[in-house]
Amino acid sequence: DQQVKQNSPSLSVQEGRISILNCDYTNSMFDYFLWYKKYPAEGPTFLISISSIKDKNEDGRFTVFLNKSAKHLSLHIVPSQPGDSAVYFCAASVGNYGQNFVFGPGTRLSVLP
Amino acid sequence: DTAVSQTPKYLVTQMGNDKSIKCEQNLGHDTMYWYKQDSKKFLKIMFSYNNKELIINETVPNRFSPKSPDKAHLNLHINSLELGDSAVYFCASSQALGPPLHFGNGTRLTVT
Repeated sequence: DQQVKQNSPSLSVQEGRISILNCDYTNSMFDYFLWYKKYPAEGPTFLISISSIKDKNEDGRFTVFLNKSAKHLSLHIVPSQPGDSAVYFCAASVGNYGQNFVFGPGTRLSVLP
Repeated sequence: DTAVSQTPKYLVTQMGNDKSIKCEQNLGHDTMYWYKQDSKKFLKIMFSYNNKELIINETVPNRFSPKSPDKAHLNLHINSLELGDSAVYFCASSQALGPPLHFGNGTRLTVT
C-alpha cells in the first residue's frame, strides 16, 4: 500500500522554464513533508521541507506547495537548469521524526538545454 | 570531505553467505539510519539508531542486524543472504531524531 505516490515517473522540461513535480499522499495524519534530489550513483540530498502549518515554503529557485485538503504537494523549480536533472523524491511523516518518513518512488527530471 | 560514507560500493555474493556493509558519518549527528531501495525504487527504512536506542522496522527479517560501535558508525550485518536481498542499501544520518538529511552513496548488493 503506497502511502506516498509520485505518479509521473519522468518529466522533461526546457532550460529556463518551470519544472513542477507532484506528490500525493493517502495518510491524512502526515504533517511533515520533504523533497530530496538524487543524482546517479549518489545518495539522496535533502532539498526543502514543509510542515502542515504552512501551505508554501520557498528556498531560492525551489518552492514547495502543500494542499492539505487534496493531500497533494508539489515542488516548483524556477528557472530550471540542466544541473537540476536528477530523480526527485517526496517523503512524508507523522511528526518530524526520521524513523517515520515514508518515501515516494521518485520522478526523474530531465532539463533540456 | 565525505559526510556519510559507506563501503563497499558494490557487493556481489552467493545465497547463504553472510556479509557486512559499513557506514561512517563525520557530522557529529546523533541518529543514523539504514534504508533499502527496492526494485520499484522505493526507499524503505530498515533501522534507526539514536543514542543506543534501536528502532527496527517490523518488516525487516531478523537476518539483518545493525551494529553500532560508536555514535559515528552504524554497520549492517546480513546473515544467510537470499536472492530477495538484492537491492541498493543507503546509510543516512540526522541531528537528534529529525529527518534524514545526509545519505551515503549507497551499496548495491547483488545476491546470486
